Amino acid sequence: GQSLEQPSEVTAVEGAIVQINCTYQTSGFYGLSWYQQHDGGAPTFLSYNALDGLEETGRFSSFLSRSDSYGYLLLQELQMKDSASYFCAVPNQAGTALIFGKGTTLSVSS
Amino acid sequence: DSGVTQTPKHLITATGQRVTLRCSPRSGDLSVYWYQQSLDQGLQFLIQYYNGEERAKGNILERFSAQQFPDLHSELNLSSLELGDSALYFCASSVGGSGDYEQYFGPGTRLTVT
Repeated sequence: GQSLEQPSEVTAVEGAIVQINCTYQTSGFYGLSWYQQHDGGAPTFLSYNALDGLEETGRFSSFLSRSDSYGYLLLQELQMKDSASYFCAVPNQAGTALIFGKGTTLSVSS
Repeated sequence: DSGVTQTPKHLITATGQRVTLRCSPRSGDLSVYWYQQSLDQGLQFLIQYYNGEERAKGNILERFSAQQFPDLHSELNLSSLELGDSALYFCASSVGGSGDYEQYFGPGTRLTVT
């Protein structure tokens, strides 16, 4: 089956850079997604990596290494509004739904 | 605003009761997914519908059922409710039918079972 591991909590200060890691075990691999969820809010899509390497979208970047079954989300120039939970996700074995990690809570302080 | 709507926002009910949660996907999206989010279990996939047909099942209990109607809105029915069913229930939608990596989530329904 599918499983994902990510740290439960990360703390950082405004303006800093933080990296949230995700390792996965999956029978078939279609790609790694990242979602952001503010407290009490809906998850929102951030990025997707199907191939190895770094994808950059503004202050956020996502990296994938398929050989290591590993990816990370890199957040730069942190702002208070980045305080949220971040989830990595992979499609299930049949490729019909997303399986989410348990999420990493990022706390940004001033 | 993702374009996905869910009603109601909050629901408080007693054990043993039955409730229906409603979801309208984004315009043009054919797939609807239901997820349950609780503190100890994280975001759990329940079931997916694509263009009116059930496409995939996840960790959905037998007491729970869902359907997608011809206008593509979906309903999740939860019956014989237990305290442990208290959670946030999210609906998400996407264009395709193959577990699209980019899904759009509604604001959720917070269910409290007392």
